[in-house]
Amino acid sequence: ETGVTQTPRHLVMGMTNKKSLKCEQHLGHNAMYWYKQSAKKPLELMFVYSLEERVENNSVPSRFSPECPNSSHLFLHLHTLQPEDSALYLCASSPVPGLAAYEQYFGPGTRLTVT
Amino acid sequence: AQTVTQSQPEMSVQEAETVTLSCTYDTSENNYYLFWYKQPPSRQMILVIRQEAYKQQNATENRFSVNFQKAAKSFSLKISDSQLGDTAMYFCASSGTYKYIFGTGTRLKVLA
Repeated sequence: ETGVTQTPRHLVMGMTNKKSLKCEQHLGHNAMYWYKQSAKKPLELMFVYSLEERVENNSVPSRFSPECPNSSHLFLHLHTLQPEDSALYLCASSPVPGLAAYEQYFGPGTRLTVT
Repeated sequence: AQTVTQSQPEMSVQEAETVTLSCTYDTSENNYYLFWYKQPPSRQMILVIRQEAYKQQNATENRFSVNFQKAAKSFSLKISDSQLGDTAMYFCASSGTYKYIFGTGTRLKVLA
């Protein structure tokens, strides 16, 4: 596997379910990110992890809970979601945390549908 | 607050022709970078081109070039000799410390 991978690619869950999204990067990067992509809206940065520590949390509801056990893995734990949380969730990584000169490498995303 | 605005939701261009995608931004960062990303249908987002804000020279990558107007806070993308494989969503983004701000995207369709 190369680059940034995400599982599952598609997820349908009820509002009372608990599920997790997984992201793995094989690039040796030190920063990882979660984004929410909704139609006709800008990409929303949700969480930023730098060397496994969370450095940004952009007013994301507590029903989204990130976890970064090491610099290669990132999880997004989901519980009691709302239908408006349906979106494409993208994971990304970049080489050097905090330095915005570097491009981000994106995963293919998880298409989440909340019923 | 940082913002990025892409005013063209959709565009189309004939194969082999040139198209320009618009982007304006606002930032309070002194040291920032600007990016264009491409997201083909059902495929991963990838970087197209990057511009350092402190450099006056416009970045170029093969058929892709930018027109960076710092004073006007404008950062447009020109695609020359458009190819069918250029069909995608294009996102303009600006960055600062731990921040990446994206626009709403422009859906580009290249017509055969």
